[in-house]
Amino acid sequence: GQNIDQPTEMTATEGAIVQINCTYQTSGFNGLFWYQQHAGEAPTFLSYNVLDGLEEKGRFSSFLSRSKGYSYLLLKELQMKDSASYLCAVSPYSGSARQLTFGSGTQLTVLP
Amino acid sequence: ETGVTQSPTHLIKTRGQQVTLRCSSQSGHNTVSWYQQALGQGPQFIFQYYREEENGRGNFPPRFSGLQFPNYSSELNVNALELDDSALYLCASSPRVKGLNTEAFFGQGTRLTVV
Repeated sequence: GQNIDQPTEMTATEGAIVQINCTYQTSGFNGLFWYQQHAGEAPTFLSYNVLDGLEEKGRFSSFLSRSKGYSYLLLKELQMKDSASYLCAVSPYSGSARQLTFGSGTQLTVLP
Repeated sequence: ETGVTQSPTHLIKTRGQQVTLRCSSQSGHNTVSWYQQALGQGPQFIFQYYREEENGRGNFPPRFSGLQFPNYSSELNVNALELDDSALYLCASSPRVKGLNTEAFFGQGTRLTVV
């Protein structure tokens, strides 16, 4: 079966750092993705992890521990435009964003 | 803008009716996936098409069906609509090549309301 858990909501202040956690239990795992989705818009790709460790891309970093079935997305220097839903997703295909299983998303609100 | 276009953007249908949603994939992308996203939830994988054939299916009943055309565009058909089918339907296109491929570009979606 597939089970991906993330917090439903988080609130943080502009300029701060926030960490969004994701735990997964899936029958097939070959990569974990993070997407950002603003209300009424398409999900957009943020990061991809297939090996344990930290991947950094500007203000965004993502961490993966395969043995623990755990990932987090770290957002630094928060901006108002970062208010969005953040989706954790697992792919059964190595190096591919095909047939993704998504969590329910974490709604992040950034306050001034 | 991702280059993946979906039509229509909004649609209202009556329970029991049939609906067809359309997706034009990004140039060069030969794989199209469809997802259903209920309000406040993450997208759920419906099925994927590659070379005009279904190539993977999620936990959706047979009344959800699709097509892919030679130009890689795709349709999602839903028969005998139910109230619970009300959702945002997302199309995602990606290339299918060997090696690392993390690109999956989503369209803006079609908001379907069943009344």
